[in-house]
Amino acid sequence: EDQVTQSPEALRLQEGESSSLNCSYTVSGLRGLFWYRQDPGKGPEFLFTLYSAGEEKEKERLKATLTKKESFLHITAPKPEDSATYLCAVADDKIIFGKGTRLHILP
Amino acid sequence: DGGITQSPKYLFRKEGQNVTLSCEQNLNHDAMYWYRQDPGQGLRLIYYSQIVNDFQKGDIAEGYSVSREKKESFPLTVTSAQKNPTAFYLCASSPYPVRLAGTNTNYGYTFGSGTRLTVV
Repeated sequence: EDQVTQSPEALRLQEGESSSLNCSYTVSGLRGLFWYRQDPGKGPEFLFTLYSAGEEKEKERLKATLTKKESFLHITAPKPEDSATYLCAVADDKIIFGKGTRLHILP
Repeated sequence: DGGITQSPKYLFRKEGQNVTLSCEQNLNHDAMYWYRQDPGQGLRLIYYSQIVNDFQKGDIAEGYSVSREKKESFPLTVTSAQKNPTAFYLCASSPYPVRLAGTNTNYGYTFGSGTRLTVV
């Protein structure tokens, strides 16, 4: 069965304290892996698409990486405005979403 | 600016009532989707449409119905048969369906801002 597992479920960091979020997946034929940011009461906002192992993409304080079994979202020197839920999704012949990691950055 | 508009933002349903959630996109996307989001759970697919006048059931279609009469519009009706309708509903679109996309093709979803439905 295709699965997407995100860890941790929740993460609290001090402002400036770097860390990583994990997305592990088991799908038969990966076509792409997506990262989204979701603020409370709003729809998810697209961040990155990764297609193949070894690929990396960056946007401001965020960097996404991909291996054959998992993806990491690295957050460098986070600020309080980075607080949100981060969703991972993988695509083979359909798109499967993980449950997300709730990130809270303390000032 | 192109995007997806969901309305209303908040909706209250009485027991036994049908309600319809609106989703309109001006991105010229072929594929549209409805998801349900509950606390502590991932997004669950209700229905999707790959082309006008065609739609398919997702993982949790029971108690819901959709139509796709225009490319831009994909309304979702929550019927009285849906026993636990209180949730956050998200509409999304993509340029084309995942299974028709080649590799290294950008078919990521664009989401609307959601409708929160509450049973009263």
